[in-house]
Amino acid sequence: ELKVEQNPLFLSMQEGKNYTIYCNYSTTSDRLYWYRQDPGKSLESLFVLLSNGAVKQEGRLMASLDTKARLSTLHITAAVHDLSATYFCAVAQETSGSRLTFGEGTQLTVNP
Amino acid sequence: GAVVSQHPSWVICKSGTSVKIECRSLDFQATTMFWYRQFPKQSLMLMATSNEGSKATYEQGVEKDKFLINHASLTLSTLTVTSAHPEDSSFYICSAVGDRGLILNNEQFFGPGTRLTVL
Repeated sequence: ELKVEQNPLFLSMQEGKNYTIYCNYSTTSDRLYWYRQDPGKSLESLFVLLSNGAVKQEGRLMASLDTKARLSTLHITAAVHDLSATYFCAVAQETSGSRLTFGEGTQLTVNP
Repeated sequence: GAVVSQHPSWVICKSGTSVKIECRSLDFQATTMFWYRQFPKQSLMLMATSNEGSKATYEQGVEKDKFLINHASLTLSTLTVTSAHPEDSSFYICSAVGDRGLILNNEQFFGPGTRLTVL
C-alpha cells in the first residue's frame, strides 16, 4: 500500500524567510503532484513532476523530485503572506493509473 | 482548458434527506472521475472511482448504498448522499481525468468542491 508522508504538518514562518516542505512516499511512482488549498476552497495545481531529478519553479516556490530517495521537496523562497495556505503532495502509483494518494498536508502560515 | 464544475457549491439539508451533487467536465471528456471527502483540517480521502458506463469502485469503508455514484456520460458524474446524517457533513470534491491522457499526463483536474451541512 502506498503511503505518503509530509513534513512538517504545520509551519509558521516570517516573511522573507526560506523553508522546505518534504514529501516522502513508500513505493515507486511515476508522477508526483503539489497542490495548494486555501481555506474553504478546492485544490489548485502547482506542479507536476514526472521524472527523477525534475525541478520546477513558479515564483517563490520550487519543487523537486528524487525518485530514488522517494522524496519530493517544495522550497519556499523569501516567503510572503500570500503564500499562507495548506500544501498537499500527491503521488500516483505506477500501477494505479490516475489514482492519487495524498499526503496529510502542510498548513503554512506566513507572518508579517 | 480542463475545467471541472460542481453543483451545488454548498447545501444545507435536514437529517434523513438525500442530496445529489453533480460533477461536470466542461471542456473535455472525462473517462474517469474521482470523488473525495475532506473533513476540516484533514487531507482528502478518496471515496470512489467512477468510470463512464460502469459501476463505481468504492474505497474500503465507504458504504456504496449510502453514497450512490452515477457516471452516466463522459462529462457528468453524480454523487447522491442518501439518508444524510450530521456525520456526513463534509467538503466533497470531485476530480476528472481527461480522455487525452497522454497529453494531460493522467492529471486529475479538481472541481471547486461542495460544502454539505446536515442538520
